[in-house]
Amino acid sequence: EVQLVESGGGLVQPGGSLRLSCAASGFTVSSNYMSWVRQAPGKGLEWVSVIYSGGSTYYADSVRGRFTISRDNSQNTLYLQMSSLRAEDTAVYYCARTLYSGTYYFDYWGQGTLVTVSS
Amino acid sequence: EIVMTQSPATLSVSPGESATLSCRASQSVSSNLAWYQQKPGQAPRLLIYGASTRATGIPARFSGSGSGTECTLTISSLQSEDFAVYYCQQYSNWPPTFGQGTKVEI
Repeated sequence: EVQLVESGGGLVQPGGSLRLSCAASGFTVSSNYMSWVRQAPGKGLEWVSVIYSGGSTYYADSVRGRFTISRDNSQNTLYLQMSSLRAEDTAVYYCARTLYSGTYYFDYWGQGTLVTVSS
Repeated sequence: EIVMTQSPATLSVSPGESATLSCRASQSVSSNLAWYQQKPGQAPRLLIYGASTRATGIPARFSGSGSGTECTLTISSLQSEDFAVYYCQQYSNWPPTFGQGTKVEI
């Protein structure tokens, strides 16, 4: 059974940093494309970043240069390092297994972890 | 980027009735269109990809149609567990983008 469990969210001040984790089971992270998708409170969904099975990484314009996606193959875990955080980064962050056809869509999602950026 | 517009914003239906949700793209997405269901406090769940292919384990009462700039999700004979927010998403062009959602309520 495919499972994704995020952790690491919390309250952080503007300009601060946070690292999110996503522990996967039932499949191998390194053999798949994996993404982070976020949802601001009461809002819709926004794709944030993807890491390919080959290791290439891509980012939404809104986070490029501030966020870094990575993975630990030995731990079967996906990460999102977030820095220079802004109020508009406040959201629930979901990790998602990603399928590629054109660009990306998402077949399995974690339950999400809430990041709140506020002073 | 491609803008996805869903209508209506809210759809009020009764159990057993059918619901038709629309998704319009600002430019053609061919059949590179997915639909997701999200219940309060839960993660989205993939329902449909390729505009009309049901994902694994999705009941046959969910069907998708359309291509290009207009796609539709139809839920026939609504069950109580189908009341949720539904999002469409295009994956034709980078970046992948979502609609703002349609809430299906009683």
